[in-house]
Amino acid sequence: AQKVTQAQTEISVVEKEDVTLDCVYETRDTTYYLFWYKQPPSGELVFLIRRNSFDEQNEISGRYSWNFQKSTSSFNFTITASQVVDSAVYFCALSGLMGYSTLTFGKGTMLLVSP
Amino acid sequence: EAGVTQSPTHLIKTRGQQATLRCSPISGHTSVYWYQQALGLGLQFLLWYDEGEERNRGNFPPRFSGRQFPNYSSELNVNALELEDSALYLCASSLVVQGAGETQYFGPGTRLLVL
Repeated sequence: AQKVTQAQTEISVVEKEDVTLDCVYETRDTTYYLFWYKQPPSGELVFLIRRNSFDEQNEISGRYSWNFQKSTSSFNFTITASQVVDSAVYFCALSGLMGYSTLTFGKGTMLLVSP
Repeated sequence: EAGVTQSPTHLIKTRGQQATLRCSPISGHTSVYWYQQALGLGLQFLLWYDEGEERNRGNFPPRFSGRQFPNYSSELNVNALELEDSALYLCASSLVVQGAGETQYFGPGTRLLVL
């Protein structure tokens, strides 16, 4: 069975602070995919990133960066210089072989960035 | 390019009634997924359709059903509505490409309220 744990239920920061959202996963699959989605108050889930289990390179996209560590089964997400518009619920998700495995989501971390 | 669309945005029903939710995938996508996001329960997988067939089903009773049409749009039907069916229902679409991975893109959701 697959499991995704986002231990941080809610994080509050002040604008321009850096913030890291933690994600720990469990799977027996040797090939799997990890995702981060953002859910603003409007409700729509916005895709942010997908990583393959065989590619442990970290990635940076603007103010966003992701740290994938297979040894600790973690896929953490960092927002640098946070902005009020970053306020949302962030979900980490896991899937097995595409087409045969659906997404397993963590419970989400609510990020509140105040001015 | 248009994203995933869902209708209606809001739906109010009473216990025992039936609800029909609709989803149009991104052009070219053949897979449609349905998820339920109920308060306190997180995102739970409901159904997966691909090429007109039901491929997988989550842990939900049979009164949750659906179908996928030849144009790949999909319908979710919930019969004999119960109060606990009140939730945000999210539809996602994807294109499964062998060896290239799969990313699910989500629509804005339908908020169902059962009174």
